[in-house]
Amino acid sequence: AQKVTQAQTEISVVEKEDVTLDCVYETRDTTYYLFWYKQPPSGELVFLIRRNSFDEQNEISGRYSWNFQKSTSSFNFTITASQVVDSAVYFCALSEAVSGNTPLVFGKGTRLSVIA
Amino acid sequence: DTAVSQTPKYLVTQMGNDKSIKCEQNLGHDTMYWYKQDSKKFLKIMFSYNNKELIINETVPNRFSPKSPDKAHLNLHINSLELGDSAVYFCASSQVIGGRNTEAFFGQGTRLTVV
Repeated sequence: AQKVTQAQTEISVVEKEDVTLDCVYETRDTTYYLFWYKQPPSGELVFLIRRNSFDEQNEISGRYSWNFQKSTSSFNFTITASQVVDSAVYFCALSEAVSGNTPLVFGKGTRLSVIA
Repeated sequence: DTAVSQTPKYLVTQMGNDKSIKCEQNLGHDTMYWYKQDSKKFLKIMFSYNNKELIINETVPNRFSPKSPDKAHLNLHINSLELGDSAVYFCASSQVIGGRNTEAFFGQGTRLTVV
């Protein structure tokens, strides 16, 4: 069975601090996809990144970076120099690669508060 | 142009009523979904449709009936609403490209409040 665990329920940081959001996943598939979504206070779900299980390269996009480690089944998300606009709930999600497009299994989310 | 749009954004109704939420995507995706987000922000899949065909129905009460008139639309009808149905409902769509799952795009959500 697939499962995503985000152990950090809430994190609070001061602006300009770096912060890492943890994500650990479980799956029996050898091919799967990992995602991060952001849900700001306005409520919409914003896609941030997708990572394929066969591509372990880390990725950086501006202040955002992602560390994918199959050995520890983790897909952590780091925000450097955090800003107040980063305040949101962040979800890690997993999709297994069975036939067709399988739905996302979400973690319970981490609420990040960035204080000015 | 909004990629995935759902209406209404807010829905307040009394117990026992029947209501519908509409969803449309203009991305040309083959797969559409309904997710439910509860008061603790937990997101869970309810239904998955591929080319108008029901693929996944995740232990959802049969008071919930999705309908897909074409692959760009997936509506959600709820009969005999109960207090516990209060939640935010998200529609989403995605595509398989080159055998690889792509990201799901979500609508803005419908906040359903049953009183």
